[in-house]
Amino acid sequence: GEDVEQSLFLSVREGDSSVINCTYTDSSSTYLYWYKQEPGAGLQLLTYIFSNMDMKQDQRLTVLLNKKDKHLSLRIADTQTGDSAIYFCAEGSTGGFKTIFGAGTRLFVKA
Amino acid sequence: ETGVTQTPRHLVMGMTNKKSLKCEQHLGHNAMYWYKQSAKKPLELMFVYSLEERVENNSVPSRFSPECPNSSHLFLHLHTLQPEDSALYLCASSQDIVGNEQFFGPGTRLTVL
Repeated sequence: GEDVEQSLFLSVREGDSSVINCTYTDSSSTYLYWYKQEPGAGLQLLTYIFSNMDMKQDQRLTVLLNKKDKHLSLRIADTQTGDSAIYFCAEGSTGGFKTIFGAGTRLFVKA
Repeated sequence: ETGVTQTPRHLVMGMTNKKSLKCEQHLGHNAMYWYKQSAKKPLELMFVYSLEERVENNSVPSRFSPECPNSSHLFLHLHTLQPEDSALYLCASSQDIVGNEQFFGPGTRLTVL
């Protein structure tokens, strides 16, 4: 079945870049998402990329998609303490309505 | 403020209790979802409603019973739960069920004793 995998933890120093990686299995995925969950809150969509794109940049966020390897990454430039949160990778397709989420990567930012 | 509210935010219940979780969306969306979030596990989709009709029941035990009386409200009725059901229960909504961004509520932290 469909599966989305990501590492559980990442720790970086303030000001450094963070790279969060994700792999997925469904080759029919049309949309790939990054959601952010801050403590005590629900998930918020950070950015998304269509499967026909290789890269998307949005201010400090860069999303890279390698469709051949089914690998998605989120790079956060100049990481701040306010970026500390759990980041969820998710994939969805126009053929179905399920969005499949990974387990989330907890990002720790050290001052 | 995401436009999706959930009550209560925290709930502690015994295994013989009956309780309900409530979700309300103020976004005019047509689809609503219940997810279960457990530590170190992927977010689990439980139920999907589209235009007040259930379109997905993801092999969820019958001790969880959803209800969608209108497109703005979604309930999750709980009875005879098990300690392993303790988790964060997230509600979400989207414009439609296909390919749309989902907006999440803050969740209800459920503890079953």
